[in-house]
Amino acid sequence: KAGVTQTPRYLIKTRGQQVTLSCSPISGHRSVSWYQQTPGQGLQFLFEYFSETQRNKGNFPGRFSGRQFSNSRSEMNVSTLELGDSALYLCASSPGGRSYEQYFGPGTRLTVT
Amino acid sequence: SQKIEQNSEALNIQEGKTATLTCNYTNYSPAYLQWYRQDPGRGPVFLLLIRENEKEKRKERLKVTFDTTLKQSLFHITASQPADSATYLCALNRDDKIIFGKGTRLHILP
Repeated sequence: KAGVTQTPRYLIKTRGQQVTLSCSPISGHRSVSWYQQTPGQGLQFLFEYFSETQRNKGNFPGRFSGRQFSNSRSEMNVSTLELGDSALYLCASSPGGRSYEQYFGPGTRLTVT
Repeated sequence: SQKIEQNSEALNIQEGKTATLTCNYTNYSPAYLQWYRQDPGRGPVFLLLIRENEKEKRKERLKVTFDTTLKQSLFHITASQPADSATYLCALNRDDKIIFGKGTRLHILP
């Protein structure tokens, strides 16, 4: 089976802009979770989608949003970018949810200038 | 608040020896615990999952122990190789919530 794919791999944006990241889960996985990883904070949970519904949400501001499509593909959007949003954004899929083992994609490296 | 602690300092181990990494947690009663490996610039890779009623789990050269009394998990790599050099993350699960530790960098010296 193909692994989790994320696009784009690298992105440079300016403060105030918005960005959309895409994730395709492993075939058959219905849960997609998004994480932000920074050197200081480590891996932090953003939100999880299951069958097109947001099932869980982490402690991030409303500028961070996401959605899941009927084919389980997911997108996350960050509006009004801030310098502190620079991070590696990881998508993970799971057969049943976050309580199962997570299969991560390679990530999108976002740099905000 | 819930807290997971992994050695923030890098661990240097001579090739061929056993590497042991520690994951301690407080204010949490995980149903199970997972270990992941992460290489620079890549996403974490799932290695092992151990449930709260299991004391030990093995997979090839890897062994994980889970002590719910001590609130600690140990992750062992036997006969370590330079290719085992990476950051290792532990993660705790309960009630569909997952929390990751910040990871320990492991260097296997040839």
